[in-house]
Amino acid sequence: EAGVTQFPSHSVIEKGQTVTLRCDPISGHDNLYWYRRVMGKEIKFLLHFVKESKQDESGMPNNRFLAERTGGTYSTLKVQPAELEDSGVYFCASSQERGVGGYTFGSGTRLTVV
Amino acid sequence: AQSVTQLDSQVPVFEEAPVELRCNYSSSVSVYLFWYVQYPNQGLQLLLKYLSGSTLVKGINGFEAEFNKSQTSFHLRKPSVHISDTAEYFCAVSRPYGQNFVFGPGTRLSVLP
Repeated sequence: EAGVTQFPSHSVIEKGQTVTLRCDPISGHDNLYWYRRVMGKEIKFLLHFVKESKQDESGMPNNRFLAERTGGTYSTLKVQPAELEDSGVYFCASSQERGVGGYTFGSGTRLTVV
Repeated sequence: AQSVTQLDSQVPVFEEAPVELRCNYSSSVSVYLFWYVQYPNQGLQLLLKYLSGSTLVKGINGFEAEFNKSQTSFHLRKPSVHISDTAEYFCAVSRPYGQNFVFGPGTRLSVLP
């Protein structure tokens, strides 16, 4: 079975530009999660989708971040406009069951804002 | 709210030596505990987890961890490390039946020949 796929694997953009990250979960996984690790800090939860609905978006840092999951399949995370402090690694995970026991993480997207 | 502390940001160790990576947590409620590993250019991989029952948990690749409720700790150990264990290790907690993790800052393990 294919794992959680994220792309691009790396992205370098200038401050003020827009970037869209994509996550393809494991087929059949209704739960999809975004996390990020800014430089030198902890990995932090951003939000959780159940199918196409946002179950919990308490970790979204501000309104420059927009996550979508149209049709309940893949998800995108758009940063507009990007700021220097948005640099870091963005992880996606999916699970079939609710709860943390069944997470599978993707390999992440490394975002660098210059 | 929960928080996780990993006091050692970097741990260098020689091949075949034992290693312990420390994790302490803070929570006002009971928690589930996890260790994840990230090898270079890869995603986060689950090493082991404690949900309930025996406080000594065995995971993949010869790792084990022991839950100590009185010390609020969940230290990760391996009796003999290999070069291939070089990676970053993350301790994480979640509420029982919770949907997301709180991670520690990570410990970078470097195994030297």
